[in-house]
Amino acid sequence: NAGVTQTPKFQVLKTGQSMTLQCAQDMNHEYMSWYRQDPGMGLRLIHYSVGAGITDQGEVPNGYNVSRSTTEDFPLRLLSAAPSQTSVYFCASSRGLAGDEQFFGPGTRLTVL
Amino acid sequence: KNQVEQSPQSLIILEGKNCTLQCNYTVSPFSNLRWYKQDTGRGPVSLTIMTFSENTKSNGRYTATLDADTKQSSLHITASQLSDSASYICVVTSNTGFQKLVFGTGTRLLVSP
Repeated sequence: NAGVTQTPKFQVLKTGQSMTLQCAQDMNHEYMSWYRQDPGMGLRLIHYSVGAGITDQGEVPNGYNVSRSTTEDFPLRLLSAAPSQTSVYFCASSRGLAGDEQFFGPGTRLTVL
Repeated sequence: KNQVEQSPQSLIILEGKNCTLQCNYTVSPFSNLRWYKQDTGRGPVSLTIMTFSENTKSNGRYTATLDADTKQSSLHITASQLSDSASYICVVTSNTGFQKLVFGTGTRLLVSP
């Protein structure tokens, strides 16, 4: 099992550009989520999904979109990148609930100039 | 307000020594508490889970304790190794019919040879 995979590993964008961060898991997990991690702050929830076709906002959703067309994939879209979105982004999955063990991907380090 | 506070922020110890990391939380209602280890440049990985009725749980050289009355948890690392150098994140699950994770900011541990 590959677990949770994320691409790309690193990305540099200019302000106003858009892009999609990819996330996939091969554990048949229902719950998937996106977090951002900034220095001195805990992981913050951006969006989450409790199953294919079902998504909802987390703590810091502004500027990001998600969709969940399959159980395996949960891409995160940045609509118009801003320097405040410079961060490390983690995708995670768990069997059913947020309180189950979260399996994290390796992260994407994004810099917005 | 649901919060998780960890101390110390950072810690340097000599290889072979023991150390204890602290986690205080004000999350309510409480569902469970997990400790995650995050190596530099990687996603967090779960070490232990503590539920309300559990006081102590071990995972190799890692021992977690929970005092639900004082809302405190600790992670004790015995006979530290260089590979223990990482950030350790305390995560508390609240459950108000919908589970929500509250993340601490982590303790950065450096084990020096």
